[in-house]
Amino acid sequence: GQNIDQPTEMTATEGAIVQINCTYQTSGFNGLFWYQQHAGEAPTFLSYNVLDGLEEKGRFSSFLSRSKGYSYLLLKELQMKDSASYLCAVMDSNYQLIWGAGTKLIIKP
Amino acid sequence: GAVVSQHPSRVICKSGTSVKIECRSLDFQATTMFWYRQFPKQSLMLMATSNEGSKATYEQGVEKDKFLINHASLTLSTLTVTSAHPEDSSFYICSARVGGTGDSYEQYFGPGTRLTVT
Repeated sequence: GQNIDQPTEMTATEGAIVQINCTYQTSGFNGLFWYQQHAGEAPTFLSYNVLDGLEEKGRFSSFLSRSKGYSYLLLKELQMKDSASYLCAVMDSNYQLIWGAGTKLIIKP
Repeated sequence: GAVVSQHPSRVICKSGTSVKIECRSLDFQATTMFWYRQFPKQSLMLMATSNEGSKATYEQGVEKDKFLINHASLTLSTLTVTSAHPEDSSFYICSARVGGTGDSYEQYFGPGTRLTVT
């Protein structure tokens, strides 16, 4: 079966760095996405990785290791507005997105 | 950037009635649109995938006669919840993808529709 695992909840301090991990087992791989979702709102796109390595975009970076079925989202200089759920999703061989359950990130002052 | 709109943003209806939700791609043509449902504190659940001009493909466990999807044009898809019941109360989100399979990888999400059935 297809499976995406990520922690349910994480807590971090404003100004700090946090890493959210995601492991996956899917039928085929056509890329891994990270989305941010604030409560009551739709997801918004953060990053896309299809090759191994680190993609940096401002305060957010995403890493992928296809051989390990592993990705992480790194958030630097945390701000209170970063409190949200972070969803890991993998595009399988049919170009369908397989979603993780999401990681709720709580930022404390 | 690609923008997807949904209407209405919130709807309250009585049990037994039907509700139609519209999803529009405003500045691009979406060959494929997706309908998701999300219950509180849970992840997105794909309900169905619709391609313009063809019948929608429903995920296992989703009743196609209850959740009617129409994707009549490249910019509009509709989801009709027929004979709604309180357990259908949820957050319904559509997303749209440019082009066909493999042409584009990103899904653009609408803002979602909060459905409450009383």
